Amino acid sequence: AQKVTQAQTEISVVEKEDVTLDCVYETRDTTYYLFWYKQPPSGELVFLIRRNSFDEQNEISGRYSWNFQKSTSSFNFTITASQVVDSAVYFCALILFTGGFKTIFGAGTRLFVKA
Amino acid sequence: DGGITQSPKYLFRKEGQNVTLSCEQNLNHDAMYWYRQDPGQGLRLIYYSQIVNDFQKGDIAEGYSVSREKKESFPLTVTSAQKNPTAFYLCASSITVGVSLTDTQYFGPGTRLTVL
Repeated sequence: AQKVTQAQTEISVVEKEDVTLDCVYETRDTTYYLFWYKQPPSGELVFLIRRNSFDEQNEISGRYSWNFQKSTSSFNFTITASQVVDSAVYFCALILFTGGFKTIFGAGTRLFVKA
Repeated sequence: DGGITQSPKYLFRKEGQNVTLSCEQNLNHDAMYWYRQDPGQGLRLIYYSQIVNDFQKGDIAEGYSVSREKKESFPLTVTSAQKNPTAFYLCASSITVGVSLTDTQYFGPGTRLTVL
């Protein structure tokens, strides 16, 4: 079965706190791609990062960082020193090509950052 | 300005009517996609198209139809056969469909369809 689980439905933090959004995926494919998207209240999904299954290197982009661990099938996203503008729904997604093209999105984590 | 446009932002229709949602991109992308988003859920793929005059069903194609007559346009028709059409619909595009570094999907602003 192919699945993406974002167990945290909602997270609330105070500005400047660090926050980690969890993403656990399931697939038997050896080649796949993982994504994180941000959905602000306007509704448009904003691309944040893409990772392929052969690249486990962690990445940092400003206040954002991602930890990809194949051993635990996780691709977690950390926001350092959160800001009010980070308030949004964040989606983790898995893309596969075995047996046809498939995109599997998690249910999303709604992040509230309070001033 | 390159991007994806979806119009209108909000759409209301009576039950039993077909309705067509517009999606246009000027990114010169080959691939285009339609997703449906329901409250509290992730996106689900309705249809995708890798190239002009070709499209494939996604996970929830029943009750929907698409066409791809031009590279930049991928309209979605929600037919009266769709049992629960009220949802937020998102269009996306990517350079290609395939296992490559170019396959990031970029999304439009979405259309919120309400069927009364």
